[in-house]
Amino acid sequence: GAVVSQHPSWVICKSGTSVKIECRSLDFQATTMFWYRQFPKQSLMLMATSNEGSKATYEQGVEKDKFLINHASLTLSTLTVTSAHPEDSSFYICSARSGLAGLYEQYFGPGTRLTVT
Amino acid sequence: AQTVTQSQPEMSVQDAETVTLSCTYDTSENNYYLFWYKQPPSRQMILVIRQEAYKQQNATENRFSVNFQKAAKSFSLKISDSQLGDTAMYFCAFMKPAYSGAGSYQLTFGKGTKLSVIP
Repeated sequence: GAVVSQHPSWVICKSGTSVKIECRSLDFQATTMFWYRQFPKQSLMLMATSNEGSKATYEQGVEKDKFLINHASLTLSTLTVTSAHPEDSSFYICSARSGLAGLYEQYFGPGTRLTVT
Repeated sequence: AQTVTQSQPEMSVQDAETVTLSCTYDTSENNYYLFWYKQPPSRQMILVIRQEAYKQQNATENRFSVNFQKAAKSFSLKISDSQLGDTAMYFCAFMKPAYSGAGSYQLTFGKGTKLSVIP
């Protein structure tokens, strides 16, 4: 149980285009989803927190107009990188938390490698 | 704001031996959660072990155990009988509890320790 999927696992796009990454909780309802960014050989940096049906809360320094997050249902959150540039190339990881009382653990997706050429 | 420090960027251990990874954190909270995550080359984050701060007993999961020293704000991970499959990046992480308001349930990660198990 507690499986989180991400799609695609790897994407290459041209500079100036937009790319959407999906994060799904497959066997539980995720009240809260988190999006992280990880550069090579570095730790995970939280980009934003999204709760189902409400606007995402972005961390300081993350451009909300560039990284659009939508959490439209209890099993799906999307991250859209708009007008992507080579510096947006990174590994993006989502995680999800069950809405059940007392459950706090985050379950991680397998990540999406974005390369902007 | 919480900070998590892992002072060992890289470590190595012979297979079947024991290794301890260090982690310290800084917080003003009295109740919180601590985690160790493993990230193998596949980059899938895998939960290794968790500890609730209100529990005095150290958590144990098979070959993995922690030494939780709340007063010292220390949370080390001991891996016994190391195996080749333990080779990975290990991240220590801190989570604020639900009643913390903004930032509840968010994970703050350390920079990680790269562990290599040598055959």
